[in-house]
Amino acid sequence: AQTVTQSQPEMSVQEAETVTLSCTYDTSENNYYLFWYKQPPSRQMILVIRQEAYKQQNATENRFSVNFQKAAKSFSLKISDSQLGDTAMYFCAFMSSGNTGKLIFGQGTTLQVKP
Amino acid sequence: EPEVTQTPSHQVTQMGQEVILRCVPISNHLYFYWYRQILGQKVEFLVSFYNNEISEKSEIFDDQFSVERPDGSNFTLKIRSTKLEDSAMYFCASQTGRQETQYFGPGTRLLVL
Repeated sequence: AQTVTQSQPEMSVQEAETVTLSCTYDTSENNYYLFWYKQPPSRQMILVIRQEAYKQQNATENRFSVNFQKAAKSFSLKISDSQLGDTAMYFCAFMSSGNTGKLIFGQGTTLQVKP
Repeated sequence: EPEVTQTPSHQVTQMGQEVILRCVPISNHLYFYWYRQILGQKVEFLVSFYNNEISEKSEIFDDQFSVERPDGSNFTLKIRSTKLEDSAMYFCASQTGRQETQYFGPGTRLLVL
């Protein structure tokens, strides 16, 4: 069974600085998809970024980028120029290419951006 | 921009009562999901639904739970006899294709007393 691990329960960063959130996963599959979702205090789940495992190029979305290391099964999220609105819980999630599309989530990392 | 909607936003119920949580997925989406998040914990998969039938369910999704899409737009989760441990945030999600991005609704916060 696939698992997703986020080893940093809480992190903080100064506004305008860069922060990296870690995620590792375990799977025997070769094709899959990885996601980062943001959950602000409103508790809405908002997609931040998506990575297809077959793509070697790391995904980027404005200030958000990932470092996808397939061999190491690592999928970290880098937030550049952190803003107060980035304060949220961040979840890493895995989707197999072979099953029904369900997402398997990590435990989450609470990020606090300080002014 | 189309979005997934959920009603109610909050629901308080007595243990043993039935609750129905409602979701309206994005209109051209074909795959539908329910997830649960107990306060302070991770988001857990409950059930996936495609072509008017359950395609996968988790161990959490026991006989007390059911889902249906009664009218081609709404997607509901029913809990027949609620337990204290059912208190959680329930998220609905939908996607166009099985390997596409899932978009989440704002959630229903269920409190069982």
